[in-house]
Amino acid sequence: EDQVTQSPEALRLQEGESSSLNCSYTVSGLRGLFWYRQDPGKGPEFLFTLYSAGEEKEKERLKATLTKKESFLHITAPKPEDSATYLCAVRNSWGKLQFGAGTQVVVTP
Amino acid sequence: DTGVSQDPRHKITKRGQNVTFRCDPISEHNRLYWYRQTLGQGPEFLTYFQNEAQLEKSRLLSDRFSAERPKGSFSTLEIQRTEQGDSAMYLCASSSKSGDSAEKLFFGSGTQLSVL
Repeated sequence: EDQVTQSPEALRLQEGESSSLNCSYTVSGLRGLFWYRQDPGKGPEFLFTLYSAGEEKEKERLKATLTKKESFLHITAPKPEDSATYLCAVRNSWGKLQFGAGTQVVVTP
Repeated sequence: DTGVSQDPRHKITKRGQNVTFRCDPISEHNRLYWYRQTLGQGPEFLTYFQNEAQLEKSRLLSDRFSAERPKGSFSTLEIQRTEQGDSAMYLCASSSKSGDSAEKLFFGSGTQLSVL
């Protein structure tokens, strides 16, 4: 059965303090690994799709990387507006999308 | 605004009542998904439509739940005889898959259901 585990569950950062979020996965035939950002009371907002090991994507202060077993979301010099829950999801060869429980990030000024 | 819209944003109901939620996807998207999310968890898949055809239903979707997408446009999710365990955020997402690319889902803001 496909599994997605995100760590840590919660992360508190000072503004400017870089850190990384982890997403470990087991999936039958990876057809894409997705990162989403979710603000309280809102639906998830798409950030990145990664397809194969070694791939990297960047957007502003966020950088996502992928290996055969895990993905990292690096937050460089975060700002308070980066506070959100970050969700990882994998799509298997059958097309099913499985989400992790998310990492709640709080960035304080 | 051409995003996914859901209505209502919040619904409070008493146990045993029926509720219906509506989702309007992005107009050119042919796929529509319903997910459920509880506090501290990621979204869980409920069901999905390609155009008007309901192609997959999760085992989570008991027979009290029914979804429709008449004419392949908007969709409704009905929950009959609500239970307290149905309290959750119900999210709708849409996508337009082309070729072999991994499709990208666009989510609405959800309907927060509270069953008293």
